[in-house]
Amino acid sequence: DQQVKQNSPSLSVQEGRISILNCDYTNSMFDYFLWYKKYPAEGPTFLISISSIKDKNEDGRFTVFLNKSAKHLSLHIVPSQPGDSAVYFCAASESGGSNYKLTFGKGTLLTVNP
Amino acid sequence: GEEVAQTPKHLVRGEGQKAKLYCAPIKGHSYVFWYQQVLKNEFKFLISFQNENVFDETGMPKERFSAKCLPNSPCSLEIQATKLEDSAVYFCASRGGRWFFGPGTRLTVL
Repeated sequence: DQQVKQNSPSLSVQEGRISILNCDYTNSMFDYFLWYKKYPAEGPTFLISISSIKDKNEDGRFTVFLNKSAKHLSLHIVPSQPGDSAVYFCAASESGGSNYKLTFGKGTLLTVNP
Repeated sequence: GEEVAQTPKHLVRGEGQKAKLYCAPIKGHSYVFWYQQVLKNEFKFLISFQNENVFDETGMPKERFSAKCLPNSPCSLEIQATKLEDSAVYFCASRGGRWFFGPGTRLTVL
């Protein structure tokens, strides 16, 4: 059973517009959430995270929103740039992100068209 | 250094052969994780270490997979008698606050 779900395998947006990537989770013990960006032949790189005590976290062009009651989070990228084209993985962890493992979704391929 | 290093970058093995992958975590990070990514899909958790101690091995196929993290040595993931389905990219991550991932080792079993 998949505990972290990214239901959109791909997303295409125009440069300058907003990209919204979605993620749902089923495990109510998850309390720390992260987004990773991955280019081909590279490891995932950390983008932004959010703790369950917050409902929003912002870092430059990237904002993550958390809706605990819906067990849903989303990543907003504004404005989108061609360099943002990559696979984005949502990940979740228990116990405030201590030494526990990350559970990943299957990823969403974002293509930003010039 | 400030990067997780993984070697080799690529590894090709015939079915039934042994494969050994290495990971050097970031200095000072106490936690090391191994993940398997098959066909560019989700990352499957294999095992985690706290220093040289196994912390969580719930994802390890116990019969052929083993892993170690010994002091003053890179961590290793070993697959005895590889099978075709072991073909994947294996990522190592270390944690000291945030999780940092290495570039991965692509294992191809022919």
